[in-house]
Amino acid sequence: DTGVSQDPRHKITKRGQNVTFRCDPISEHNRLYWYRQTLGQGPEFLTYFQNEAQLEKSRLLSDRFSAERPKGSFSTLEIQRTEQGDSAMYLCASSIYSADTQYFGPGTRLTVL
Amino acid sequence: AQTVTQSQPEMSVQEAETVTLSCTYDTSESDYYLFWYKQPPSRQMILVIRQEAYKQQNATENRFSVNFQKAAKSFSLKISDSQLGDAAMYFCASQGGSEKLVFGKGTKLTVNP
Repeated sequence: DTGVSQDPRHKITKRGQNVTFRCDPISEHNRLYWYRQTLGQGPEFLTYFQNEAQLEKSRLLSDRFSAERPKGSFSTLEIQRTEQGDSAMYLCASSIYSADTQYFGPGTRLTVL
Repeated sequence: AQTVTQSQPEMSVQEAETVTLSCTYDTSESDYYLFWYKQPPSRQMILVIRQEAYKQQNATENRFSVNFQKAAKSFSLKISDSQLGDAAMYFCASQGGSEKLVFGKGTKLTVNP
């Protein structure tokens, strides 16, 4: 069991560019979650998947954000036309069932210049 | 909507001593779960302890224990025999009625040698 992995670990981009992050959950975990954490704050929920179905999205997930989980395995989070306010740590977590503990990955730190 | 409040932005403790971190929450759900997560500097978030709201017995994991006061909606974390490796941000979180975790703003714990 290798844990939740995320790639890249750091991303620096210019305002207006598109970025994509990847999350690989723990194998056999059918639930996958995305959170965003800004400096000095706790993580905030963005969206989650059960297998390949995206079942809940936060109002924080504006039209510029899109997430996918093809085939119910890894997931990608894309941010289009990045803004400086998108600078944050993007965390991915997975769990095996709804009431199970969510296990977090190391996060992707995004800096928008 | 669920809310989680951590009123102590920072706490410090002497090595080998005991410290208690406070957390209050608000939820309209009858079935919910409470968690304490630890986030060391530049490292990923890991679960410290979880509590099912329907259980009256307080959860314990080695040196970590909780004081769950359901009527008061309080969920404090006690760390006994504090170690240098306990230094981290500690986040209280709740989950109920939805898959998402709702986090507090965190408490930064410093352990002094």
